[in-house]
Amino acid sequence: AQRVTQPEKLLSVFKGAPVELKCNYSYSGSPELFWYVQYSRQRLQLLLRHISRESIKGFTADLNKGETSFHLKKPFAQEEDSAMYYCALRSGSARQLTFGSGTQLTVLP
Amino acid sequence: ETGVTQSPTHLIKTRGQQVTLRCSSQSGHNTVSWYQQALGQGPQFIFQYYREEENGRGNFPPRFSGLQFPNYSSELNVNALELDDSALYLCASSVGGRSSTDTQYFGPGTRLTVL
Repeated sequence: AQRVTQPEKLLSVFKGAPVELKCNYSYSGSPELFWYVQYSRQRLQLLLRHISRESIKGFTADLNKGETSFHLKKPFAQEEDSAMYYCALRSGSARQLTFGSGTQLTVLP
Repeated sequence: ETGVTQSPTHLIKTRGQQVTLRCSSQSGHNTVSWYQQALGQGPQFIFQYYREEENGRGNFPPRFSGLQFPNYSSELNVNALELDDSALYLCASSVGGRSSTDTQYFGPGTRLTVL
């Protein structure tokens, strides 16, 4: 069965510092991975997906199949990055998402 | 283009009661997935409906059931409510169903409290 692990429930960094949110997965097939973000009082929204290999709001994430990881990185954190971040893996006949438990990122001024 | 909407926003029920939650999918989407998000946890997949048929189901008992209507809106029904059913219920709409690579767009959720 698939599993997504986000080891940090809370993460605080100062504005302008680099940030890395960790995500590890367990899946026997070829993984399709996503990062979703939820800003305060807003709905869950897609931040980026690994197949796009894009940078959104300065964030990037690289799939490392050897380490079964999909860490989210940003070189210079901004206060508006403060939010809850969820890593998710898509699988199954319904292409359903399996989410990690989330990391609450706080960027301090 | 309207986004995914859910009703009601909040709901309080007592143990043993039944509840129906509603979701209107985003314009042009034919697939609705339902997720349960307990406090402090990530969303957990309940089931998905594609063109009015159940397309997949997570590890939830049969008292969780659903429907999808011809306009692709959907209902989640929960019978014999238990205290552990207290959670935020999210629906997400997308295009395609089986083997789809399309993004799932989430609604704001319905907060269910079971007393």
